[in-house]
Amino acid sequence: AAGVIQSPRHLIKEKRETATLKCYPIPRHDTVYWYQQGPGQDPQFLISFYEKMQSDKGSIPDRFSAQQFSDYHSELNMSSLELGDSALYFCASSSFTVNTEAFFGQGTRLTVV
Amino acid sequence: DAKTTQPPSMDCAEGRAANLPCNHSTISGNEYVYWYRQIHSQGPQYIIHGLKNNETNEMASLIITEDRKSSTLILPHATLRDTAVYYCIVGSNDYKLSFGAGTTVTVRA
Repeated sequence: AAGVIQSPRHLIKEKRETATLKCYPIPRHDTVYWYQQGPGQDPQFLISFYEKMQSDKGSIPDRFSAQQFSDYHSELNMSSLELGDSALYFCASSSFTVNTEAFFGQGTRLTVV
Repeated sequence: DAKTTQPPSMDCAEGRAANLPCNHSTISGNEYVYWYRQIHSQGPQYIIHGLKNNETNEMASLIITEDRKSSTLILPHATLRDTAVYYCIVGSNDYKLSFGAGTTVTVRA
């Protein structure tokens, strides 16, 4: 079965650079969620989208933005990167319409140097 | 979101049942209990969820007390591949899952 696809899997950026992470949800899923997991920490909710509209917002820095496109894929844009942004970034998707549980991708490991 | 309390760690013998407790005394009436696990920096994996009835699927069973203030995840026959951090999460069905500190389960041969 198709799963949530995230790209790239690994990314290395320098401080003050920008990064774009992509998430392709499971087909027919209308909702995506972004999470950040720092070293040794638990996943923290950043932001979510339902039907291309932002549905909820967590502890997402102002330097980060995200959107969901017409094909339901989502991108997380991160600017002015800081060392502390180094983390695993997970995307999850679910279907609000059919009320399925959320499934996670394998994550993007971002390293800021 | 309601807060959950889980033991920080537990060991389990391979082939035996693993019973993972979770307290969620402030859960509200429309909130579900979800269980996810994370194996060494992989994406969290859905295990099971329930509202008030006990649930069972191919991975595990979920026992929820009648007052819904606590629950137990049961892995019927633990294997070495079940070693992971297990998260008990309560929330409404919008799936904005708030991860707390889970239980690190180590299955030993």
